[in-house]
Amino acid sequence: DGGITQSPKYLFRKEGQNVTLSCEQNLNHDAMYWYRQDPGQGLRLIYYSQIVNDFQKGDIAEGYSVSREKKESFPLTVTSAQKNPTAFYLCASSILGGNQPQHFGDGTRLSIL
Amino acid sequence: DAKTTQPNSMESNEEEPVHLPCNHSTISGTDYIHWYRQLPSQGPEYVIHGLTSNVNNRMASLAIAEDRKSSTLILHRATLRDAAVYYCILRDNFNKFYFGSGTKLNVKP
Repeated sequence: DGGITQSPKYLFRKEGQNVTLSCEQNLNHDAMYWYRQDPGQGLRLIYYSQIVNDFQKGDIAEGYSVSREKKESFPLTVTSAQKNPTAFYLCASSILGGNQPQHFGDGTRLSIL
Repeated sequence: DAKTTQPNSMESNEEEPVHLPCNHSTISGTDYIHWYRQLPSQGPEYVIHGLTSNVNNRMASLAIAEDRKSSTLILHRATLRDAAVYYCILRDNFNKFYFGSGTKLNVKP
């Protein structure tokens, strides 16, 4: 079945370490997105990409980096510069065009040891 | 500033209709209105979307005000499985989605 796969489901990081969250989709979607969600809060956009080898910063990009080398993959790296990385991270994809919905993965929960 | 405003929480009885409001007074002419819902520790699930006209699908109905500055998601008969956080979102011409803080819907048996 087509969908979005995020891995791992749970991730633990030591202070000062970089960590990479995986997001893969087999929906043939051009656009991919990364969101951060804190407890009891809505989703905030970190980065998004509309085409391979191109991406744009969202509202809270500081301390994060992304790459889009393949259409299917949009990994997110949480760097040591992100001072409060503990959160639920959601990846999404969509077809380009305003009348197209987003499809979400099941998320990765990142915690600091 | 958030582009959409929703009540923090609402409560409904099972089997009764639910009307979830959303204000988006700064919406532009090409922004689509999307609704998603989210269960704890899961990714949001698409519910419905529209531009100007009211829309119906198997999950819900979307009523859009004539001036497009507000919309209402209608669940015709709430079930316990409809208890979730409902997000009203605008999608712009640049393929960006703007999430608000959502409405937590509680359904009482």
